[in-house]
Amino acid sequence: DSGVTQTPKHLITATGQRVTLRCSPRSGDLSVYWYQQSLDQGLQFLIQYYNGEERAKGNILERFSAQQFPDLHSELNLSSLELGDSALYFCASSVQGAGTDTQYFGPGTRLTVL
Amino acid sequence: AQSVAQPEDQVNVAEGNPLTVKCTYSVSGNPYLFWYVQYPNRGLQFLLKYITGDNLVKGSYGFEAEFNKSQTSFHLKKPSALVSDSALYFCAVREGKGSARQLTFGSGTQLTVLP
Repeated sequence: DSGVTQTPKHLITATGQRVTLRCSPRSGDLSVYWYQQSLDQGLQFLIQYYNGEERAKGNILERFSAQQFPDLHSELNLSSLELGDSALYFCASSVQGAGTDTQYFGPGTRLTVL
Repeated sequence: AQSVAQPEDQVNVAEGNPLTVKCTYSVSGNPYLFWYVQYPNRGLQFLLKYITGDNLVKGSYGFEAEFNKSQTSFHLKKPSALVSDSALYFCAVREGKGSARQLTFGSGTQLTVLP
């Protein structure tokens, strides 16, 4: 167990809908990262937050947004969902967000868009 | 831009034999290199990392990896494979300088250890 928790484990929804994925980092970790894992794209970095502020952005669609709250938990919001958004979404956390930090991953949320 | 390649989609090895999972990287500066393992329906588990120093890095569950700067490689190794090592293995890289802090992952290598 990495200490990173994600809810829900599974999410099934319809095209056009909006969902929110939640992540709680390990105790003491200030940085949170979101990744998407799909069969065709592999593991792709979406976005990073450090102590409440956006730190880096990757291949994140405009329909997706995220935030990190004062208690350091993070939420990833996915809207106007399309079939292609079906994937496993991982949250990871690290102590500072520095380049040498190890990122510890949560168990993921499996999103299925029908 | 940073990138990493795992040239083998699938590696099969007999239990008790040594295993190697290959990884090559490309960065413009010094690399920070990581190996993760993913079991079915589970998240990624950290195995080991290379930041600087000794080229041979030891990690969890008896795994080790050798950093080779001239060949830009970071192959994962284990002297004696177990059936329980069967899983999906990912190599990842992050550039040592610059503002990018995200990991760039390889496509993954499915390791199957045969009893």
